[in-house]
Amino acid sequence: NAGVMQNPRHLVRRRGQEARLRCSPVKGHSHVYWYRQLPEEGLKFMVYLQKENIIDESGMPKERFSAEFPKEGPSILRIQQVVRGDSAAYFCASSPPSRGYTEAFFGQGTRLTVV
Amino acid sequence: SQQGEEDPQALSIQEGENATMNCSYKTSINNLQWYRQNSGRGLVHLILIRSNEREKHSGRLRVTLDTSKKSSSLLITASRAADTASYFCATDASNRGGSEKLVFGKGTKLTVNP
Repeated sequence: NAGVMQNPRHLVRRRGQEARLRCSPVKGHSHVYWYRQLPEEGLKFMVYLQKENIIDESGMPKERFSAEFPKEGPSILRIQQVVRGDSAAYFCASSPPSRGYTEAFFGQGTRLTVV
Repeated sequence: SQQGEEDPQALSIQEGENATMNCSYKTSINNLQWYRQNSGRGLVHLILIRSNEREKHSGRLRVTLDTSKKSSSLLITASRAADTASYFCATDASNRGGSEKLVFGKGTKLTVNP
């Protein structure tokens, strides 16, 4: 869905550098999710955020990874001291605040390559 | 743990034929969703079926859900070359409903030959 904007689309980082991935949800959506996809794999849940709150980070690696969704501005997934194993496509999704059986709208993803 | 498992992993058919993909899951769900992903692109939502529904249609798509067998199928009728993509099922087991923490399978790679 074109409403979820992720940037950059492609990101190349050297080992040890930091990677910052941005996600602007669909206007009016207050729930943001980050997923990671390795080649030939399905998406794996990382973290679920609402404005200024981390609701569920059970899929986040314990070290080097962090996420935020501030009151103003996009959601940021930050990976410090990247390693080759962090190379993957990172997808952001958003959904509206109402509870119920709603679909999540996905962005086009950021493809991170660590060299 | 992996929730959805699609089967087959890869499927190659001729244009005009029907394509059937299956998905099995392990725990109770609120709903099950199917997504399509073209190579190197994001996911496109296809259809959502609730746990109290058994069948749903959308254009050339037909989804069934059997909660007793914990399985779902996606049927694409009269396939076209443009249907070539990977198809994923995703389950939402959140006790709060909605699409929080979707759990995806590894996908079925569908190739439709012209």
